[in-house]
Amino acid sequence: AQSVTQPDIHITVSEGASLELRCNYSYGATPYLFWYVQSPGQGLQLLLKYFSGDTLVQGIKGFEAEFKRSQSSFNLRKPSVHWSDAAEYFCAVGNGGATNKLIFGTGTLLAVQP
Amino acid sequence: DADVTQTPRNRITKTGKRIMLECSQTKGHDRMYWYRQDPGLGLRLIYYSFDVKDINKGEISDGYSVSRQAQAKFSLSLESAIPNQTALYFCATSDRTGAQPQHFGDGTRLSIL
Repeated sequence: AQSVTQPDIHITVSEGASLELRCNYSYGATPYLFWYVQSPGQGLQLLLKYFSGDTLVQGIKGFEAEFKRSQSSFNLRKPSVHWSDAAEYFCAVGNGGATNKLIFGTGTLLAVQP
Repeated sequence: DADVTQTPRNRITKTGKRIMLECSQTKGHDRMYWYRQDPGLGLRLIYYSFDVKDINKGEISDGYSVSRQAQAKFSLSLESAIPNQTALYFCATSDRTGAQPQHFGDGTRLSIL
């Protein structure tokens, strides 16, 4: 069965520091992978997606993620965090094709210290 | 204007009441989805629809029903609300072509007393 694990429930970083949010997935075929961000009172906004090809994908707001098949991981990174990045981040895996259903991780809440 | 609009944004109601949450979209997408979000559980799929004649159950459909009135409208109903249905509900849409990302509304916060 498909599943997504985000091991870190809550992370705090200082503004300007680098960030890495972890995501591990379980899926039998080539996965379709997504990172979404949710700001307070808002819906989910797509940061980036991986379908195939280059395993390092660039997204909006300076985020990037790297697909590592051997580790079943799709970690999200940012070299320098801004206070406005404080939000909850969700990793998701999709089955693509006809149903395009998404399985979400439980989320990582990011706090940014001045 | 938002591409995916949910109404109401907030709702407080009592146990046993019938509630309808509405979702409309201007993206022209065929696929629409309803999720609920609970703290520590992420988002879980309730129902999804590929067109006005197609309705499919998700992983947690018990206690819910849906109606796809038009390509642009997808409603979620709680026939007799219970307190454990208190959650944040999201509508999402996606294009039909392949594994496209889903686009989310801003959510409806539902509290059942």
